[in-house]
Amino acid sequence: AQSVSQHNHHVILSEAASLELGCNYSYGGTVNLFWYVQYPGQHLQLLLKYFSGDPLVKGIKGFEAEFIKSKFSFNLRKPSVQWSDTAEYFCAVIPTDSWGKLQFGAGTQVVVTP
Amino acid sequence: NAGVTQTPKFRILKIGQSMTLQCTQDMNHNYMYWYRQDPGMGLKLIYYSVGAGITDKGEVPNGYNVSRSTTEDFPLRLELAAPSQTSVYFCASSYESAVDTQYFGPGTRLTVL
Repeated sequence: AQSVSQHNHHVILSEAASLELGCNYSYGGTVNLFWYVQYPGQHLQLLLKYFSGDPLVKGIKGFEAEFIKSKFSFNLRKPSVQWSDTAEYFCAVIPTDSWGKLQFGAGTQVVVTP
Repeated sequence: NAGVTQTPKFRILKIGQSMTLQCTQDMNHNYMYWYRQDPGMGLKLIYYSVGAGITDKGEVPNGYNVSRSTTEDFPLRLELAAPSQTSVYFCASSYESAVDTQYFGPGTRLTVL
């Protein structure tokens, strides 16, 4: 069965530090990849997604992610975080031949201190 | 647009009770989903629907039932609640396929004692 692994469950960093969250998946075929974010007290929302083409994807709020097919990875990055980036981040994967079944990672809680 | 709305926000059930979690979307989306989120486990798909009258099981369907009589509504029914169903439940919708952006509701926190 396919799975999605997020390397860190909790990350604490200071404002202006760089952020990188790891995501690996186990599926041999073609996949679509997503990062969702849940800010405190808000709905889960899409941060960015990759379907095809340029493996470096830019999303909202200065986030980007890089798809490395050979490593089955889709890591999320932000060069300089702000306190408002405090949130829980979820990586999600859906094989292109899978109907309706988006697979989520366990999530990474990120806390940015002023 | 209200987006995806869920009721109730919180609920405490006794073992063996039943209840229905309501979900409504006003975006005319065809696809709708129910997930549960347990601490440290991410979101698990319970059931999904690709349109009115069509539903299918996700990863963790046992103990739940769904129906989709209209495009807007996708209620989740818990029969004979068990402590293992203590979780946060999220409803989501997407326009035409599962790879479209999914829009999530605020969640329902359910405790079964």
